[in-house]
Amino acid sequence: SQELEQSPQSLIVQEGKNLTINCTSSKTLYGLYWYKQKYGEGLIFLMMLQKGGEEKSHEKITAKLDEKKQQSSLHITASQPSHAGIYLCGAPRGSNYQLIWGAGTKLIIKP
Amino acid sequence: EPEVTQTPSHQVTQMGQEVILRCVPISNHLYFYWYRQILGQKVEFLVSFYNNEISEKSEIFDDQFSVERPDGSNFTLKIRSTKLEDSAMYFCASRGGPYYTEAFFGQGTRLTVV
Repeated sequence: SQELEQSPQSLIVQEGKNLTINCTSSKTLYGLYWYKQKYGEGLIFLMMLQKGGEEKSHEKITAKLDEKKQQSSLHITASQPSHAGIYLCGAPRGSNYQLIWGAGTKLIIKP
Repeated sequence: EPEVTQTPSHQVTQMGQEVILRCVPISNHLYFYWYRQILGQKVEFLVSFYNNEISEKSEIFDDQFSVERPDGSNFTLKIRSTKLEDSAMYFCASRGGPYYTEAFFGQGTRLTVV
């Protein structure tokens, strides 16, 4: 079965600094989703990547899919307190495209 | 903006009792899912539902679990006889189409079995 490993498990970053979170799959990736989780707010969709080499950006968050490396990275530029939370990657599988998940990366932003 | 709504936000139940977790997916969506997250662990897939029937279910989704879409708007997860290990956050999600479409998640129901 497919496993997703996220690194680092947790990250403390000074406000204004850049950071990168990685998600590595044990099997070929046929797409990759990034979500953010905050207590009481469920899972908030960030980005969806479909093809190898694809890169998407939204505000200060950029995600990239490296199909050959079976890996995706999420990069935050000039981090802000609003970026704090748990970042989850999910890979689609199965007939209805249900997601399997990484364990999450907990991001803390120091003022 | 459309959203998935889950109720209740928190439920405490005694072991052995039945619970029903409710979800209102986005109205024109066709694919529905339940996931759960035990505290400190990964989010796990439970079941997917399409065209009024279960499409796929995980090993976790045993005979104690059932899902229903009784009235075309609600999507429910029933746990027949709760166990302590059912304590978790349960997330409902819906998707408008197959494959590369966004899955919208509800805010979750925290189930505590005592």
